[in-house]
Amino acid sequence: GDKVKQSPSALSLQEGTNSALRCNFSIAATTVQWFLQNPRGSLINLFYLVPGTKENGRLKSAFDSKESYSTLHIRDAQLEDSGTYFCAAEADSGYNKLTFGKGTVLLVSP
Amino acid sequence: DPKIIQKPKYLVAVTGSEKILICEQYLGHNAMYWYRQSAKKPLEFMFSYSYQKLMDNQTASSRFQPQSSKKNHLDLQITALKPDDSATYFCASSQTGTGVYEQYFGPGTRLTVL
Repeated sequence: GDKVKQSPSALSLQEGTNSALRCNFSIAATTVQWFLQNPRGSLINLFYLVPGTKENGRLKSAFDSKESYSTLHIRDAQLEDSGTYFCAAEADSGYNKLTFGKGTVLLVSP
Repeated sequence: DPKIIQKPKYLVAVTGSEKILICEQYLGHNAMYWYRQSAKKPLEFMFSYSYQKLMDNQTASSRFQPQSSKKNHLDLQITALKPDDSATYFCASSQTGTGVYEQYFGPGTRLTVL
């Protein structure tokens, strides 16, 4: 099965609303990264997490290594938030190897 | 200025040919990586290098060979190309030895094999 399971696979939001994305891990994740892949295909770093939480503007992310999950909260969604969000986990096996989820496609509409 | 440069941006090749994908990073990082993203699979790890030494190889095929001529370069040579190799190839880099290994990705090279 998938080592990194992302949910939901797709999401439509209206501008100004809030939502949460989630990743569940079946590997022993030690760190987690969240990325936004924009329509041009570039991967933009959002968060790098050891167990704990971080916040950056309208985005907030948490990683719980004991319960093997991570979340990304988007507050007051804007049109420019549209794209595909990926989480990726690093485990102790493999040298800094990131294992990616399949992504959440987010569409924010007016 | 772009911190990780990948060349070319787009590449079209014929089956059986050989291509080299170029990656240079100007972040001062000691570790570099290659990942692949295809329509059929999520982003998947291929190789990791640290101080120009191979650390991890998750690519089953020997047709894929990384080449590191300088600390901030990690090229990817692909031989005997197949249509299934069509994908976007991303180079990434990170620091090592500091306890923080956040990886940063280049813009990718989109390879199409006909």
